[in-house]
Amino acid sequence: QQQVKQSPQSLIVQKGGISIINCAYENTAFDYFPWYQQFPGKGPALLIAIRPDVSEKKEGRFTISFNKSAKQFSLHIMDSQPGDSATYFCAASIGGGSTLGRLYFGRGTQLTVWP
Amino acid sequence: GAVVSQHPSRVICKSGTSVKIECRSLDFQATTMFWYRQFPKQSLMLMATSNEGSKATYEQGVEKDKFLINHASLTLSTLTVTSAHPEDSSFYICSASIVQKGSYGGDTQYFGPGTRLTVL
Repeated sequence: QQQVKQSPQSLIVQKGGISIINCAYENTAFDYFPWYQQFPGKGPALLIAIRPDVSEKKEGRFTISFNKSAKQFSLHIMDSQPGDSATYFCAASIGGGSTLGRLYFGRGTQLTVWP
Repeated sequence: GAVVSQHPSRVICKSGTSVKIECRSLDFQATTMFWYRQFPKQSLMLMATSNEGSKATYEQGVEKDKFLINHASLTLSTLTVTSAHPEDSSFYICSASIVQKGSYGGDTQYFGPGTRLTVL
């Protein structure tokens, strides 16, 4: 059972446009929601993360929107650039306890930004 | 900060041999390290969680006798693929977590660059 559902599977955006990737979860115990960016042949790199006490977090061109009641969160990439072309993974985890901070990943979104 | 390294970056071995992959946290101490496997164009699959000084916790379906994990110190964990076969060929990635002090929520995980294993 997929704990975190991510869409779309692939996304094509023109340079300068806005890229939006959505994720949804069921487990209300999740309390940490990071986004990772992965380039081919490389490990994932932490992009931005949010905790459920805020509804939005912005870092540069990257913004996470978090809707606790709907159990959804999304990544917005403003002014998308060809260098943003990568695979993006959303994830969720539960602090402490027996899960030891284990991350549950979405299936990933392959973003292509056309110049 | 928060750099995780892996060695080697790629390895090719013959079927039946064993391969060891090292994962190091370079500028922080990691109480917990995770090992993942990733197939092309797929998500990361958690194989096991390891805590320094204790036995690793393996995910369902992962053979612990085939994938030996040793977390010898707060900065080093190793994954040994024993008697490797072509179906073990994959991209192996480790991560290390930093405890977030003073706040609730999960620990931040930082990933290594990955190791490409090819078994002939």
